[in-house]
Amino acid sequence: ETGVTQSPTHLIKTRGQQVTLRCSSQSGHNTVSWYQQALGQGPQFIFQYYREEENGRGNFPPRFSGLQFPNYSSELNVNALELDDSALYLCASSGQQMGETQYFGPGTRLLVL
Amino acid sequence: GESVGLHLPTLSVQEGDNSIINCAYSNSASDYFIWYKQESGKGPQFIIDIRSNMDKRQGQRVTVLLNKTVKHLSLQIAATQPGDSAVYFCAENMNRDDKIIFGKGTRLHILP
Repeated sequence: ETGVTQSPTHLIKTRGQQVTLRCSSQSGHNTVSWYQQALGQGPQFIFQYYREEENGRGNFPPRFSGLQFPNYSSELNVNALELDDSALYLCASSGQQMGETQYFGPGTRLLVL
Repeated sequence: GESVGLHLPTLSVQEGDNSIINCAYSNSASDYFIWYKQESGKGPQFIIDIRSNMDKRQGQRVTVLLNKTVKHLSLQIAATQPGDSAVYFCAENMNRDDKIIFGKGTRLHILP
């Protein structure tokens, strides 16, 4: 186990709703990255937070937003949910130095109906 | 498009044999590569990594080989076991400070 936890494990929403996913990073890690993994695909980078600030963003629209808290836990918020947002959302944490190995949590499975 | 890709979507290996999973990358400036294992219903699990100043790195039952001339990466698993059944992703961290770029993955199937 990596020590990275995510909640909830599963979630069902309808189109147009908003969702908040949560991640607790591994002890000693100050960087959190979020990824979206569609069924049968590799994870796609959404964004990264380093010391409470966004530090890089992938090709996702602004309705995907995030936060990092002083204890380095993080939230991913998605507004105006679309059917294609159905996926496994993964959080990964990494250590004190930039570029350290990222360790993933178990993910949150989101289904949008 | 993605700069990291895999040659085969599925690999079937007899239990006890060695497994070799291949990966190609396109960006010659890439300097850090990672292999992840993902079991059903779980997040990717770090297996081994290698930096571009190396051509081989060994772990427990795993070896990663990097050929920068042909931009090729491979993961070798010795004495494959049923617990090795999973999807394996090679991934690239280009800037070493933010995103990891994943390929589509290779499913390793262990035959009894």
